[in-house]
Amino acid sequence: DVKVTQSSRYLVKRTGEKVFLECVQDMDHENMFWYRQDPGLGLRLIYFSYDVKMKEKGDIPEGYSVSREKKERFSLILESASTNQTSMYLCASKREVSYEQYFGPGTRLTVT
Amino acid sequence: AQKVTQAQTEISVVEKEDVTLDCVYETRDTTYYLFWYKQPPSGELVFLIRRNSFDEQNEISGRYSWNFQKSTSSFNFTITASQVVDSAVYFCVLPSDGGFKTIFGAGTRLFVKA
Repeated sequence: DVKVTQSSRYLVKRTGEKVFLECVQDMDHENMFWYRQDPGLGLRLIYFSYDVKMKEKGDIPEGYSVSREKKERFSLILESASTNQTSMYLCASKREVSYEQYFGPGTRLTVT
Repeated sequence: AQKVTQAQTEISVVEKEDVTLDCVYETRDTTYYLFWYKQPPSGELVFLIRRNSFDEQNEISGRYSWNFQKSTSSFNFTITASQVVDSAVYFCVLPSDGGFKTIFGAGTRLFVKA
């Protein structure tokens, strides 16, 4: 079974803090993704990575950066958290030759 | 255009009822995949099924069944004899661009009451 884990289920941070969200997958998948999910807006792609050290912007990259130093780990960084980044963050991974993405349990981030 | 429409925002049924979740899609691709995901209250998106455009055979897995009809661009999902544990948001999904772009429907929230 594919397993994608995220470092925290719930996180509360203050405005202006630097926030790290970690995602780890154990299936040797080449591709990894970060989404945020908001009521009424659905899932929106923030960044994805198709290989180690490679990254591409998704639909809403502003205010975020990512890091992929190892194949199994993909980090999402909020350089200076703001209240409009309060959201559910979902990480996913997939094989290069496949289409279906496997998701982690999500991190509910609240920025106060 | 690449688009997925789930017209039903919320459905409420009583346990043991059958329920069908509708999905209509638009794609410019001649070959494509469609997926269904389930998102229970815990938040994790769970992959349920993949269907490719070459295969219009209906699929059944336990109480779940899927009806794919290319002629009407629909990929509907039926739960037979629903249970409270089926309460979740269900997403119909159309991957494109080699799976790097994923078009999610808006989701249908299913409430199953005991």
